Amino acid sequence: ETGVTQTPRHLVMGMTNKKSLKCEQHLGHNAMYWYKQSAKKPLELMFVYNFKEQTENNSVPSRFSPECPNSSHLFLHLHTLQPEDSALYLCASSHPDSSGSGANVLTFGAGSRLTVL
Amino acid sequence: AQTVTQSQPEMSVQEAETVTLSCTYDTSESDYYLFWYKQPPSRQMILVIRQEAYKQQNATENRFSVNFQKAAKSFSLKISDSQLGDAAMYFCAYSPFLSSAGGTSYGKLTFGQGTILTVHP
Repeated sequence: ETGVTQTPRHLVMGMTNKKSLKCEQHLGHNAMYWYKQSAKKPLELMFVYNFKEQTENNSVPSRFSPECPNSSHLFLHLHTLQPEDSALYLCASSHPDSSGSGANVLTFGAGSRLTVL
Repeated sequence: AQTVTQSQPEMSVQEAETVTLSCTYDTSESDYYLFWYKQPPSRQMILVIRQEAYKQQNATENRFSVNFQKAAKSFSLKISDSQLGDAAMYFCAYSPFLSSAGGTSYGKLTFGQGTILTVHP
């Protein structure tokens, strides 16, 4: 375990369902991210939250709705998804390197495997 | 926009041997970071090694080392004395230099497509 916990690990849903993915970190990090990992494609950044404020929305369809109630928790609300949305959804958190080098190292969760029928 | 390319979808190596994974990137920035992440079957992405672009010296972490060629925009990963536990998907990633302003800062990583490494006993 890296300190970033994602639930559920697996999720199967129909196109009309509404579900949510949850991510939790207690590493004291102030930035949290959602990435989408599809087969044979690079990881795609979806959203970034910095100190609970959304700072990036990488042209993600509105059927994906993020929520960050505090710096430790991040949700991805899903509704009316399409089969092509089936993928591994990775959450990550980060904090500036304490050495002041300017590096920002991401710590990832194990992902939520989503299948849309 | 930055791009990261891993031209080897799959690689294999014999246990105890050495293997090199390739990565090239494109950027107009002069300061940035490069990373290699490992994703084993458990799916947890783990940082293997990182390189600051302003450092000429290649980073090393135990059996893992990089060959960073800034002019060529090349960043390869060498795994020495390969072990069965090294079998995983390896991702090369680029991050812009992080700038902090008032404590609000974050980094966006751009990933390559990944290379699946198989280790044969």
